[in-house]
Amino acid sequence: DVKVTQSSRYLVKRTGEKVFLECVQDMDHENMFWYRQDPGLGLRLIYFSYDVKMKEKGDIPEGYSVSREKKERFSLILESASTNQTSMYLCASSLTASRSYEAFFGQGTRLTVV
Amino acid sequence: AQKITQTQPGMFVQEKEAVTLDCTYDTSDQSYGLFWYKQPSSGEMIFLIYQGSYDEQNATEGRYSLNFQKARKSANLVISASQLGDSAMYFCAMRYSGYSTLTFGKGTMLLVSP
Repeated sequence: DVKVTQSSRYLVKRTGEKVFLECVQDMDHENMFWYRQDPGLGLRLIYFSYDVKMKEKGDIPEGYSVSREKKERFSLILESASTNQTSMYLCASSLTASRSYEAFFGQGTRLTVV
Repeated sequence: AQKITQTQPGMFVQEKEAVTLDCTYDTSDQSYGLFWYKQPSSGEMIFLIYQGSYDEQNATEGRYSLNFQKARKSANLVISASQLGDSAMYFCAMRYSGYSTLTFGKGTMLLVSP
């Protein structure tokens, strides 16, 4: 069973803080993703990575950065958290050799910035 | 631009009845993949079903089937014999050929009543 684990289910941070969201997958997947989910907007891609140390911007990268130093771990960084970054964050991974590239998701981190 | 449209914000169905969740997509590509995910109130995204653009038959997975109409660019999810546990948010998503990322629609909330 593929497992994607996000370090926190709920997080409350103050405006201006540097925030790290961690994601680990245990199935040797090449691709990893960070999405943000907001009511009425669905899931929007922030960043993705197709290999160690490689990263690509998604649709809404502003205010975020990422780090992938090891294949199994993909971190999302909010350099200076703002209230408009209050959201649900979902990490996912997928295997390039899979016919469908289906993405497996973590349980999500609900971040509140106050 | 990639676009997935789910026109139904919410749907109600009685237990044991069938329900169809609509999804249309916009692409000029010939090769792509279509996905449906379920998100219960607990937050995790659960992969339900996949349809490749070159697949001649509609995909089926247990009580889930995908009604794929390529000319109309629609990929509706059909859930037969609804159960109370089917109450959740449902997302349609698309992957374009050569890309590992998924583009999601805004979702449809399904409520199953006894």
